Amino acid sequence: GQSLEQPSEVTAVEGAIVQINCTYQTSGFYGLSWYQQHDGGAPTFLSYNALDGLEETGRFSSFLSRSDSYGYLLLQELQMKDSASYFCAVRGGNSGYSTLTFGKGTMLLVSP
Amino acid sequence: NAGVTQTPKFQVLKTGQSMTLQCAQDMNHEYMSWYRQDPGMGLRLIHYSVGAGITDQGEVPNGYNVSRSTTEDFPLRLLSAAPSQTSVYFCASSPSGGGADTQYFGPGTRLTVL
Repeated sequence: GQSLEQPSEVTAVEGAIVQINCTYQTSGFYGLSWYQQHDGGAPTFLSYNALDGLEETGRFSSFLSRSDSYGYLLLQELQMKDSASYFCAVRGGNSGYSTLTFGKGTMLLVSP
Repeated sequence: NAGVTQTPKFQVLKTGQSMTLQCAQDMNHEYMSWYRQDPGMGLRLIHYSVGAGITDQGEVPNGYNVSRSTTEDFPLRLLSAAPSQTSVYFCASSPSGGGADTQYFGPGTRLTVL
């Protein structure tokens, strides 16, 4: 099976940098994704890492270390609108089809 | 493109009733999934489909049925609703289900079973 661990809540102030960590266990690893969800709305895709290293997309970066089964999402220049839940998700599986398993989510609270 | 659409947005059922949650996408995606989201539990995969006529179980399939007769539609059927099925249900689609695929989520259906 697949399982992921991430902190339940993180707080930060506007303009700061915050890192949300994710550790995972899976068989047949394909990659690690990050999704953002505002107030129970539809989750939206942020980033994907299949190989070790850092991927940068604007203010957001995502890192993966496959040997450590670990990744993180880095949010820079925090804005109030970044207050949301962030989910890491691992794509894996040993059968012919892969599935996406989500962590329980990290609620990020950004204060003025 | 409308993307992924779900109906209804809200539903209240009594224990033992059956219903179908509708999901449709207009992006010609092969891979579609149903998730449920409960407080503190993240998104859990119920069933998924890799193309018309092909479905498989996810992490929490009991009490739910799916079918995929067309590429566009992937309905989720609750056979006999139970209070434990009170949840928010999200449908998602992606081009092929491959590693780098972005999953596009619908707006969700909020279901309460009394």
